Amino acid sequence: IQLTQSPSSLSASVGDRVTITCRASQGISTYLAWYQQRPGKAPKLLIYAASSLQDGVPPRFSGSASGTDFTLTISSLQPEDFTNYYCQQLYTYPYTFGQGTKLEIK
Amino acid sequence: QVQLIQSGAEMKKPGASVKVSCKTSGYTFTTYGVSWVRQAPGQGLEWVGYINTYNGDTNYAQNLHDRVTMTTDTSTSTAFMELRSLKSNDTAVYFCARDDYSNYAFWGQGTLVTVSS
Repeated sequence: IQLTQSPSSLSASVGDRVTITCRASQGISTYLAWYQQRPGKAPKLLIYAASSLQDGVPPRFSGSASGTDFTLTISSLQPEDFTNYYCQQLYTYPYTFGQGTKLEIK
Repeated sequence: QVQLIQSGAEMKKPGASVKVSCKTSGYTFTTYGVSWVRQAPGQGLEWVGYINTYNGDTNYAQNLHDRVTMTTDTSTSTAFMELRSLKSNDTAVYFCARDDYSNYAFWGQGTLVTVSS
């Protein structure tokens, strides 16, 4: 299963609302997770099962699904949110990742 | 608290093998599988494989299946990933993660494997 994540990079300002999209090449139910990764660090789980917020993650992060399209939305960007984001499907092996989105400050 | 502590950085020559360990604590080891993910310098995340810590079943990425072996030592709650016949493009940070069935909530700190002559 291939995941097409877009955009690959995104410029935005503090306080903006942004959306990152992940499209699966076939149905994966809601077996999709979103991760945030800072340079030199391990990924951090944000959203699992497409729309469930991981404990301790701020509620400005949310996920949704429509068929094979999945979105991660950050409702009001904070300075610490400018980093890299990845989607991952856990429906069937191999558990593929999207190509990543680099969120930069405008 | 759940922890996954990986072994230190490795430098290897092309053709050699490397074995990375991932020592877990804070939960019952055989309740969750362990997956491995790698990240080449400046690149995205690549799924390497998975081991069922209860019965030892494995599933490997197609492009690595002939060179990678994942094992566990349940007596020490440790998972291992061995990669053979190393190539320069195997240079990456290798992460282990606890497989919580629908996500990876807990990760190791990563192990840099450098392959260079």
